[in-house]
Amino acid sequence: DGGITQSPKYLFRKEGQNVTLSCEQNLNHDAMYWYRQDPGQGLRLIYYSQIVNDFQKGDIAEGYSVSREKKESFPLTVTSAQKNPTAFYLCASRGRLGGGELFFGEGSRLTVL
Amino acid sequence: KQEVTQIPAALSVPEGENLVLNCSFTDSAIYNLQWFRQDPGKGLTSLLLIQSSQREQTSGRLNASLDKSSGRSTLYIAASQPGDSATYLCAVKPDRETSYDKVIFGPGTSLSVIP
Repeated sequence: DGGITQSPKYLFRKEGQNVTLSCEQNLNHDAMYWYRQDPGQGLRLIYYSQIVNDFQKGDIAEGYSVSREKKESFPLTVTSAQKNPTAFYLCASRGRLGGGELFFGEGSRLTVL
Repeated sequence: KQEVTQIPAALSVPEGENLVLNCSFTDSAIYNLQWFRQDPGKGLTSLLLIQSSQREQTSGRLNASLDKSSGRSTLYIAASQPGDSATYLCAVKPDRETSYDKVIFGPGTSLSVIP
C-alpha cells in the first residue's frame, strides 16, 4: 500500500548525540515536510523540500538538518545543538495532484535522557 | 499573518449524538483547508480536504463546510461513536505564491464520545 513510513517509532538519545529519523514515501510526492509536535503547542514546521536536492528552513530549523537526495526519502537529523529535542516528530508529503492533500506518517518519538 | 483557532479545546458527548467542531482562520486568502484526526501517539489521518472554491465535502458520517468570507469551517460528525474519540485538527494552506509552502495548523479539539 502507498504511504509514508517513519522509523524508528521510539528513540532514546543521550545528550550530545546526533540522531537521524528516517522518512520514506512511495506516493511519488514531490514535496516532503518535517513537523515537531509538543503538548499544547500544536505542529511546527522544521524543514520542507519541494524537489530533490532542494530544501528550505521552516519556523524552528535551528539544531536540525535534512537532506533530499532521493524523491522518496527525507531524513531528519537532530543535532546536539538542538536544546530541547524531546518531542514527537512527524513527516508529511504532498503531491502535485489531488488538490494539495497532505499525508502524514505515524511519527517518531524522541526522548533525550 | 494567518492564525487558526479551534473551539472548543475539548468536547465530551454521549454516544449517538451529532456534533460540530469549529475551525476559524483570520485570512480568507486560502488555497485549501484540511481536517485531520489524530489518535494518541499516532500520526495525523486526513479526513477531508476542501478546496477554496468548494463549500463542503462529505465522507461517510463526516461533513465539512467552508465559508471563506467569514473565515470559518465546521466539521459535522453524525451519530457519534466511541471510536470517534480522538483529537481533530484543521489546517489551512495559504493562497499565495511564495517560496514558503507553509500550512497553518489549529491547536485541535479533543473529542471524547462516551458509551
